[in-house]
Formats: sequence, structure tokens, C-alpha cells
Amino acid sequence: DAGVIQSPRHEVTEMGQEVTLRCKPISGHNSLFWYRQTMMRGLELLIYFNNNVPIDDSGMPEDRFSAKMPNASFSTLKIQPSEPRDSAVYFCASSPAPGPNEKLFFGSGTQLSVL
Amino acid sequence: AQTVTQSQPEMSVQEAETVTLSCTYDTSESDYYLFWYKQPPSRQMILVIRQEAYKQQNATENRFSVNFQKAAKSFSLKISDSQLGDAAMYFCAYGDNYGQNFVFGPGTRLSVLP
Repeated sequence: DAGVIQSPRHEVTEMGQEVTLRCKPISGHNSLFWYRQTMMRGLELLIYFNNNVPIDDSGMPEDRFSAKMPNASFSTLKIQPSEPRDSAVYFCASSPAPGPNEKLFFGSGTQLSVL
Repeated sequence: AQTVTQSQPEMSVQEAETVTLSCTYDTSESDYYLFWYKQPPSRQMILVIRQEAYKQQNATENRFSVNFQKAAKSFSLKISDSQLGDAAMYFCAYGDNYGQNFVFGPGTRLSVLP
């Protein structure tokens, strides 16, 4: 299995631009999670899908952030407009069970730099 | 809200020696899950070990074992026979029984000295 695949690995953009991060979970996994990692705040859960349905989006910072999961094999996290404080590593993770209490399988992350 | 504390921002260990990473957590629940995740320089988080709170027996995975003290709300990770490849950030995490609250600690950076 190829594991969780995220793209791009690095993204550099200018303030105000739209950014789209992509994730392909492991085939057969029911749950998908988007996390953000910064030095100041550590790992934060942004949103969690189960069977393609958003279950908990309380971690989404503000309306500039949106996430979709149109099918079981693809999810996007969009930031529009982007701001320098959005600079972070964004991780996607999937799990074979509903929720995070089994094993989370993480992608390699997208390093986002907003100038 | 549940919190997870890792009081050691950085630790170091000599190759082949044993090191223990500390983790404490706060919860009012009786059933929950605890985890240790490893983040090597490649950035990809990997599950090291998982403990179900209702199980009294400490989880082990090869050279990795935990000391789970439920009453003290302590969940330390012991790495035996440390190897250079063990150098990484280690995150302790808590998950409630409903999958609603899942929290990572701030992490401990482990260096392994040759």
C-alpha cells in the first residue's frame, strides 16, 4: 500500500492567494483527519471526516479555511485568502476505524509558507 | 478539556542505552486510549505504541514499552537498546472513548548519541 499521499510537499505562496492542499487516504480507511503543526501550537486537529462526512470541524480556524471530501479517496483543504500566520505543516491522516482511537496513518505533510 | 503534558522538551541517550520519556494527562474519564507517536526528520508521524486504559497490562512493542499508571495519570515510554534511528520527536496523545477528543502533547525531542 502506498500510504497516505499528500501533495504538494512544499508550497510557497503570497499573502492573499488561494492555497489548496490535497490528500489521498489509504484505500478502505473510513476516517480522514487534517492536522496543522506549528512550533507555537503543536499539532492541532482542524477537521475530521467519517465516511466522507465532516464530523468535527471545530478546529478550523476561521472561514478562510474549508475542507471537502467528495469521495472516499480524495480530500482537499483550502485556504482563501492565505495569510502569513497560516504558515505551518499540514498533515492528513487516515484510519480504518471511525475516529482516531485505532491507528492513525499520516502522510508526509505539506510545508506551507505564506509570504 | 483534556490536556497532555510532556515535561521534557529534549532528551538524549547514548546508543544501546535505555531512555524514558514522560507523559502525564488530565481526564475525568475512566475509559480512554493513550498513544505514543514518533516523528522522525522525514516528518511523517508513525504510531509507536497504543494503550487501552481498561487494560492493566502495559503495552509493549519490541524495544518500546510503556509504564501506564492510571491513578497517577502517567504514561511514560521506555526505549531499550536505543538506536540511531530512534532519534525523533515523540508525541504522547490521548483519545477519549467516543473518539471526540483526541489531543497531542507538545512533544519531546530525542537525540541518540553514537
